[in-house]
Amino acid sequence: DQQVKQNSPSLSVQEGRISILNCDYTNSMFDYFLWYKKYPAEGPTFLISISSIKDKNEDGRFTVFLNKSAKHLSLHIVPSQPGDSAVYFCAAATYTDKLIFGTGTRLQVFP
Amino acid sequence: GAGVSQSPRYKVAKRGQDVALRCDPISGHVSLFWYQQALGQGPEFLTYFQNEAQLDKSGLPSDRFFAERPEGSVSTLKIQRTQQEDSAVYLCASSLASNVAGPSSGANVLTFGAGSRLTVL
Repeated sequence: DQQVKQNSPSLSVQEGRISILNCDYTNSMFDYFLWYKKYPAEGPTFLISISSIKDKNEDGRFTVFLNKSAKHLSLHIVPSQPGDSAVYFCAAATYTDKLIFGTGTRLQVFP
Repeated sequence: GAGVSQSPRYKVAKRGQDVALRCDPISGHVSLFWYQQALGQGPEFLTYFQNEAQLDKSGLPSDRFFAERPEGSVSTLKIQRTQQEDSAVYLCASSLASNVAGPSSGANVLTFGAGSRLTVL
């Protein structure tokens, strides 16, 4: 029973264009959603988060959108850069419980 | 230190051997988590400490897995009688806050180490 799902294992985007990474969840009790980025041989690093009381959070080139009725969130990267090439994990939690991660989406940004 | 440090980075064990994986969290961080990441999967929760207290061990896959954090800083994850299905990257993460998740603020974001890659032959 996977509570957080990332259905696209990989995504390839041209430099300068928009990257859109998607995530679906099943637990309506989640309060808190995050995106982590992972380079090879490194641990995941925190990228951006959103509380369930919001529908959008923006930080520079990164924007996360939350659609609670659809139990769906997405990460937009604009403009995409080659250094953004990494695996992106969506994660979710309630305020009193641990983070649950999706399976990840590998983003490749090509020149 | 500046980040979460894990050792060894790579460990090869023969099936049946015991292994111990170490995590040095960021100094002063109250919460410490262990996650297991199998190839092609996302990190899966194993266990959680608040200082020296192990508050949640619901993710430990069997009684061959044991974790401790006796003085509320360094933590060790021990796997006894390793099996091939134990092959994975074991990630340690710490955070300043005492609650498990919470609103996104500097105190509550988990900082991960680079992981220990265990291969069981």
